Amino acid sequence: GQQVMQIPQYQHVQEGEDFTTYCNSSTTLSNIQWYKQRPGGHPVFLIQLVKSGEVKKQKRLTFQFGEAKKNSSLHITATQTTDVGTYFCAGRWENQGAQKLVFGQGTRLTINP
Amino acid sequence: DVKVTQSSRYLVKRTGEKVFLECVQDMDHENMFWYRQDPGLGLRLIYFSYDVKMKEKGDIPEGYSVSREKKERFSLILESASTNQTSMYLCASSFLGTKRDNEQFFGPGTRLTVL
Repeated sequence: GQQVMQIPQYQHVQEGEDFTTYCNSSTTLSNIQWYKQRPGGHPVFLIQLVKSGEVKKQKRLTFQFGEAKKNSSLHITATQTTDVGTYFCAGRWENQGAQKLVFGQGTRLTINP
Repeated sequence: DVKVTQSSRYLVKRTGEKVFLECVQDMDHENMFWYRQDPGLGLRLIYFSYDVKMKEKGDIPEGYSVSREKKERFSLILESASTNQTSMYLCASSFLGTKRDNEQFFGPGTRLTVL
């Protein structure tokens, strides 16, 4: 089946440093979503990217969708302790229907205050 | 606010037992999903349903079955629990098709331990 590869698996930063997580698919995605899971919590939707080359911002978070719609990234500027958690990308492909999401392995972000 | 609830936060069962995990959503969502979450593997889809009595296999359906008799309720069944089914189970729901961003709303999860 289709897969989304997400790297890195873990990232530890000092508070105030930037953070980036990357997702890649070997085939063209129809869209990609990003979720955040706080420690002990459940995944919560952050954003969906649909268009080639799309860039969306939410305060310190910047989400990008590649021109070929095969990769995506989430960048956090000047991390804060509230950013701690695991970030997942989740992709959809045209041939798999609009309902099913395939999640990446997640990147667990820890922050030294 | 969308609310997805799961019947138990923690569950301990013995090998061979039949296990029922229940999920209820209150937003009239057509789609419901069952995932398991394991460290380093992310969320893997077990089964999903886009309508009452309809179900489709996800990526790892072996050893599981599901039931959707009412729109708001989706049950995951482990016919004969095994130790390799020890995991966190997450239920999610979403609207059908392309309404809004078609985001998935997750329940709090059930941590199942099979001894």
